[in-house]
Amino acid sequence: DQQVKQNSPSLSVQEGRISILNCDYTNSMFDYFLWYKKYPAEGPTFLISISSIKDKNEDGRFTVFLNKSAKHLSLHIVPSQPGDSAVYFCAASEWDDKIIFGKGTRLHILP
Amino acid sequence: DTGVSQNPRHKITKRGQNVTFRCDPISEHNRLYWYRQTLGQGPEFLTYFQNEAQLEKSRLLSDRFSAERPKGSFSTLEIQRTEQGDSAMYLCASSLAGESGNTIYFGEGSWLTVV
Repeated sequence: DQQVKQNSPSLSVQEGRISILNCDYTNSMFDYFLWYKKYPAEGPTFLISISSIKDKNEDGRFTVFLNKSAKHLSLHIVPSQPGDSAVYFCAASEWDDKIIFGKGTRLHILP
Repeated sequence: DTGVSQNPRHKITKRGQNVTFRCDPISEHNRLYWYRQTLGQGPEFLTYFQNEAQLEKSRLLSDRFSAERPKGSFSTLEIQRTEQGDSAMYLCASSLAGESGNTIYFGEGSWLTVV
């Protein structure tokens, strides 16, 4: 049973435009959500997180939006840059418990 | 560099051999996690420790896998009688329990190839 779902295996976006990565979850007990970025042959790097008491968190070019009623979150990257090309993982946990990851979305930033 | 450190970074072994990976977490972190990642998948949870206590093991973790964190600092993950299906990247992560939320920080991973 996949509790965190990233339904788009890949996404291509023009440099300078907005990248929107989506994620759905099924476990209503999840109350902490994270996004990680991964380059080939490296470990995932933490990007940004949001707790369930908020609906938006922003850090520079990265913004995460949470819609609890829809069990949906998204990561917005604006403007998209070449170095943003990577695999992005959505993840969730029940506050202090282990973190469950989605399968990832590969983002290609086109010149 | 005070990040999570994993050794070895790459390991090629013959089927049936035993392998051991080591993880040194961020020094002030009391939690340590092991995940496994295969191609096209996200990191899959294997087990985690708080200090030296192993708090949870995934059902994915067969009896051939054992993890220890004897002094609450570094951890080892041993795979006995390796099989080709064990080929994957083994990721270690650490966190500080009790912080708001639970953000884990990964090491660079240890690649295992079983031939």
